[in-house]
Amino acid sequence: SQELEQSPQSLIVQEGKNLTINCTSSKTLYGLYWYKQKYGEGLIFLMMLQKGGEEKSHEKITAKLDEKKQQSSLHITASQPSHAGIYLCGAVISINSWGKLQFGAGTQVVVTP
Amino acid sequence: GAVVSQHPSRVICKSGTSVKIECRSLDFQATTMFWYRQFPKQSLMLMATSNEGSKATYEQGVEKDKFLINHASLTLSTLTVTSAHPEDSSFYICSATRINEKLFFGSGTQLSVL
Repeated sequence: SQELEQSPQSLIVQEGKNLTINCTSSKTLYGLYWYKQKYGEGLIFLMMLQKGGEEKSHEKITAKLDEKKQQSSLHITASQPSHAGIYLCGAVISINSWGKLQFGAGTQVVVTP
Repeated sequence: GAVVSQHPSRVICKSGTSVKIECRSLDFQATTMFWYRQFPKQSLMLMATSNEGSKATYEQGVEKDKFLINHASLTLSTLTVTSAHPEDSSFYICSATRINEKLFFGSGTQLSVL
């Protein structure tokens, strides 16, 4: 089965600083999603990456899928309190079914003043 | 706005009773929906794939007789937790995708079984 390792488990960043979260797969990724969650609440869609080398940005968040399609990173520039939460990466585990995701364990982000 | 609606957001029930959770796709037809479960401090785990007009496909280790899934229309899938027990207490969340588009999640249902 595919293993998805997300790092770091948690991080504390000062407001205004940048942060990066990584998601590494034991197998080639057909696609990868990034979501943000507050525990016990729904998931907020951030990015969807499909092609090796793909990079997408939205506001201050950038996500990349590496060329070999086994790793993705999520980068937040000049973090704000609104960026606090749990970030989850979800790997598409079936090329025939883009809704079947295997999730990483999540990264808890805390933004301090 | 939300494209996947889930109801209820929170439910408390007595042990032995059954609970139904609804997942609706708004403004689009979803032939396939997905049900995930999340225990405290853990990540989401795929439970089953809900297929409109046919039987659901369950992931290994998920009891199909305990977690009944019905996908009666192109916009509605339901998950019924039958004879719920305290160990079934969890956060349940559904998702749906439009063809070749991103996967949208509902707001989730927190189930507490007393």
